[in-house]
Amino acid sequence: AQSVTQLDSQVPVFEEAPVELRCNYSSSVSVYLFWYVQYPNQGLQLLLKYLSGSTLVKGINGFEAEFNKSQTSFHLRKPSVHISDTAEYFCAVSVNFNKFYFGSGTKLNVKP
Amino acid sequence: DADVTQTPRNRITKTGKRIMLECSQTKGHDRMYWYRQDPGLGLRLIYYSFDVKDINKGEISDGYSVSRQAQAKFSLSLESAIPNQTALYFCATGAGVNEQFFGPGTRLTVL
Repeated sequence: AQSVTQLDSQVPVFEEAPVELRCNYSSSVSVYLFWYVQYPNQGLQLLLKYLSGSTLVKGINGFEAEFNKSQTSFHLRKPSVHISDTAEYFCAVSVNFNKFYFGSGTKLNVKP
Repeated sequence: DADVTQTPRNRITKTGKRIMLECSQTKGHDRMYWYRQDPGLGLRLIYYSFDVKDINKGEISDGYSVSRQAQAKFSLSLESAIPNQTALYFCATGAGVNEQFFGPGTRLTVL
């Protein structure tokens, strides 16, 4: 079975500062990896995904993530955050696109 | 128009009542899912369906049932609602080698 761990439930950061949201997964087989964002009172939207190829993946809104197979991690980064990035972020994994396993989420709070 | 719609968006009900949450999609996807979201727990899978004749239990199916009326419609029922079913419920769709697409959610409160 697969599992996803997001160790940081909340991350406060000042506007224009860099941020990293951590995601680690557990799986005995190869996985596909995803980051979703949930703005207040909305559903989840895809930020980026890793399927294969380059381990550095670029997504929307200036976010990127790096797949590290040896550390089973897929951390999300942004070099300079904006107030509008305040949201909850979810990491997810899937083996075959039939079932997805989500982390518990990280709330990013960007302060002015 | 949204690709994945959920009705109602908000619902307050009483313990013991039967509740149905509905999900419709225009994406033509064969796979549909129901999740519940609770603070600090992320999304947990309730039921999923790969086509009209294929229904599967997720990790927290007790107290819930589903119906796949058509490829585009997937309903979630709470036969006798209880307070710990108060949560945010999401429908999602998927197809092929693609990520999941989510509806806007239904906020359910059971008093």
